[in-house]
Amino acid sequence: GENVEQHPSTLSVQEGDSAVIKCTYSDSASNYFPWYKQELGKRPQLIIDIRSNVGEKKDQRIAVTLNKTAKHFSLHITETQPEDSAVYFCARPSGGYNKLIFGAGTRLAVHP
Amino acid sequence: DTEVTQTPKHLVMGMTNKKSLKCEQHMGHRAMYWYKQKAKKPPELMFVYSYEKLSINESVPSRFSPECPNSSLLNLHLHALQPEDSALYLCASSQGRELASEQFFGPGTRLTVL
Repeated sequence: GENVEQHPSTLSVQEGDSAVIKCTYSDSASNYFPWYKQELGKRPQLIIDIRSNVGEKKDQRIAVTLNKTAKHFSLHITETQPEDSAVYFCARPSGGYNKLIFGAGTRLAVHP
Repeated sequence: DTEVTQTPKHLVMGMTNKKSLKCEQHMGHRAMYWYKQKAKKPPELMFVYSYEKLSINESVPSRFSPECPNSSLLNLHLHALQPEDSALYLCASSQGRELASEQFFGPGTRLTVL
């Protein structure tokens, strides 16, 4: 189907801990997997993305891993900070390169 | 300029009003999007323009009418809306080439329909 399943829906961690969010898709033709962060009252912003020809991509404290066989991709945030508190959305293209299907979102709370 | 701008920031309208939302980008992007976002939900795609032509309409009611006057501007004309249309309306743009790429979102227009 078109949906992308995202878990967990909420995640609460202590500052300095790691956070992992996972998304599962069913369309094996998907080849681009972005992650967006949306702070309260703000616009969604891309934080990292990965294409299907690589298995992992890292940018400082953020990493994304892709398992094409199992059809899931995950966002990893290490050494979390209070400013990481936000809603995180995974997405994948559908029906053409211009359409993105978003996961339901994960509300991450990082407690000092 | 690497931003997508939207006006107005807030809009309150009655069910009989006609209003328009505006979006602008100067990044040379050739794909532009309208999304609707309800509280605690992901953005929901409404329309996609590719090279100023409407390429995707996600079965949106005709009371929403998009327009792309040129490659930098995108409008959403609103008429006879319902209270359930109250939401955050986000505009976005991307390069629009064949490979999927980052979508840059505007700050949104928070619409309230009375």
